[in-house]
Amino acid sequence: EPEVTQTPSHQVTQMGQEVILRCVPISNHLYFYWYRQILGQKVEFLVSFYNNEISEKSEIFDDQFSVERPDGSNFTLKIRSTKLEDSAMYFCASSARGLGVAYEQYFGPGTRLTVT
Amino acid sequence: DQQVKQNSPSLSVQEGRISILNCDYTNSMFDYFLWYKKYPAEGPTFLISISSIKDKNEDGRFTVFLNKSAKHLSLHIVPSQPGDSAVYFCAASYTGTASKLTFGTGTRLQVTL
Repeated sequence: EPEVTQTPSHQVTQMGQEVILRCVPISNHLYFYWYRQILGQKVEFLVSFYNNEISEKSEIFDDQFSVERPDGSNFTLKIRSTKLEDSAMYFCASSARGLGVAYEQYFGPGTRLTVT
Repeated sequence: DQQVKQNSPSLSVQEGRISILNCDYTNSMFDYFLWYKKYPAEGPTFLISISSIKDKNEDGRFTVFLNKSAKHLSLHIVPSQPGDSAVYFCAASYTGTASKLTFGTGTRLQVTL
C-alpha cells in the first residue's frame, strides 16, 4: 500500500541552525501539506502546496519557513534559523485532490525536531 | 482558535462494546469532516470521512454521523477491539481553501479486555 515517508525520524539541532525536513508523498498525489504538533497540543496546519507553489499558509509559516519540491518525488520543509519553540513533531501529508475540493489527506510518520 | 473541539480527552470501553467519540465544530463553512487514528510516534491514519451533504457514512466497524444543525459529529466503533486503542482526532475542512485540515485536540480511546 502506498505511503508517505519522512526523513529523518528525529532531528536534533542547535538554536539558530538551519534544518531541512524531507518527505516523499504518495506518487500519484498532487497536493502536499506540512503540519506540526507541539507536545501536548493539537495538530496544526502549516502550509499547502500545489503545482509548484504555495496554495495557503498559516500564520505560523513565517519568513523562517520555506517549502520546495526539488524533483518529482521529494517535498521539503526548511526552517532557516531554528528557535526553541520550533521543537515539535512535523508531519507531511499528501492528497490526490485538494484545491477547491475537500479530500482525505494521508500522513507520514513524522519527524521529531528538537531544538536545543 | 477552537473551531474543532473534542471535549472528552479520554474514553474507556470494554472489548466488544460500542465506542462513541464526539466532536463539535463552530465554523459553519466546514463541509467535509474526517476522523484520524494516531498511535504514539506515528502519523495520523485516515479512518473515515463524511461530506456535509450526508448525515451518515459507514465503513466496516466504523460509522460517522453528522448533525449539521447541531454542528456535531460522532464516530461509532462497533464492536470495539483492543487494537482500536489509540488517540482519535476529528478534523474539518472546507472547499476553496486547498483543503487544509483543522484538527480537534483528540480523544484517547482505551479498549479493555
